[in-house]
Amino acid sequence: QKEVEQNSGPLSVPEGAIASLNCTYSDRGSQSFFWYRQYSGKSPELIMFIYSNGDKEDGRFTAQLNKASQYVSLLIRDSQPSDSATYLCAVNIGGYNKLIFGAGTRLAVHP
Amino acid sequence: DAMVIQNPRYQVTQFGKPVTLSCSQTLNHNVMYWYQQKSSQAPKLLFHYYDKDFNNEADTPDNFQSRRPNTSFCFLDIRSPGLGDAAMYLCATSRNSGGYTFGSGTRLTVV
Repeated sequence: QKEVEQNSGPLSVPEGAIASLNCTYSDRGSQSFFWYRQYSGKSPELIMFIYSNGDKEDGRFTAQLNKASQYVSLLIRDSQPSDSATYLCAVNIGGYNKLIFGAGTRLAVHP
Repeated sequence: DAMVIQNPRYQVTQFGKPVTLSCSQTLNHNVMYWYQQKSSQAPKLLFHYYDKDFNNEADTPDNFQSRRPNTSFCFLDIRSPGLGDAAMYLCATSRNSGGYTFGSGTRLTVV
């Protein structure tokens, strides 16, 4: 069974700090990795994707991928209260761009 | 703006009464997906369409059916809803690769 594992949290960080969110996946054949943000009662929205080992930066967000360790992470710099949400990690598992999602990590940024 | 639209936003149905959820898109994406998300759980893939080719996940209950009459529209039919089917139903679209665009979701309540 192909799986994506995330710590459910909550991860509590002070405003302005760096939030670090982690994800592991089981399918070694996965090639595409995504981070989605989901506010309570809303649908997920895409934050970042990463395909290659290493780091990818977009504004305050950095995605990190290590395929050998089957590990993906998301760093959020200068965290803001508006970043408080659940962050879902998603991994491509095969044809037709099928994604399997983790259950998410709840992030709480306090002033 | 190009988007994915789900109707209705909230749906209340009676136990055992058939219900249909709808999804439309103006993105002209060839792949459409239906996910079920229960509270604090990962979105779970029910079906996806690559153009008109229908793909059913092995563990999707027979109680769930889907139709895609054209590129723009996709429907989820629940033939006999049970209390365990109460969830957020998410429609998403994508091209052959890359992240999904989600609709706003339909929150289904079974009474």
